[in-house]
Amino acid sequence: QVQLKESGPGLVQPSQTLSLTCTVSGFSLTSNSVHWVRQPPGKGLEWVGAIWSGGSTDYNSALKSRLSISRDTSKSQVFLKMNSLQTEDTAIYFCTRVSPNYGSYYFDYWGQGVMVTVSS
Amino acid sequence: DVVLTQTPPTLSATIGQSVSISCRSSQSLLHSNGNTYLHWLLQRPGQSPQLLIYLVSRLESGVPNRFSGSGSGTDFTLKISGVEAEDLGVYYCVQGTHAPNTFGAGTKLELK
Repeated sequence: QVQLKESGPGLVQPSQTLSLTCTVSGFSLTSNSVHWVRQPPGKGLEWVGAIWSGGSTDYNSALKSRLSISRDTSKSQVFLKMNSLQTEDTAIYFCTRVSPNYGSYYFDYWGQGVMVTVSS
Repeated sequence: DVVLTQTPPTLSATIGQSVSISCRSSQSLLHSNGNTYLHWLLQRPGQSPQLLIYLVSRLESGVPNRFSGSGSGTDFTLKISGVEAEDLGVYYCVQGTHAPNTFGAGTKLELK
């Protein structure tokens, strides 16, 4: 069945780089796009960025200068790297899949999320 | 970016009560291909969001039919016909018509 699972360090120091991995199963990254969404503690959801089935990427314009999303299709993994981390980047980071149904564009499966705290 | 305004921010309900949540968009969500990419998610406490309704009114597989969605253009509604205890949590509308994807601020459904 379709699964996504995020992993990465729980604590990152300010100004350092965050590296997260989303490991997927039950579907192919070459046929499906995967997005990252984050949620600061007690707040709402914010779209971070995406890697499309063809390998192209899109980023939240507010984060674009600090953000990179890539993948390893052979390992079914999607990577998020964000540099110059600030305390405002403290959040739960989710990866989510876009439904592969033709003509559809919605997030049908979500990972459990990984909490990232930016603090010294 | 498209702004989605959800009301009310908090909803208190008793078990069995029917409730509605509104989601209003700053722009029409009708795509040039004829689809309207407005969807509804539920995030239960301590859990990741889950899809309830997609493309305005289509019920995701496994979601109880007490949930229904309606609307067009800029005004959308999620209705729960007979709240059950498992429905408690925060409801979000999300749009994918205009890049980037944006989410409403959420509506917290709690027991009265």
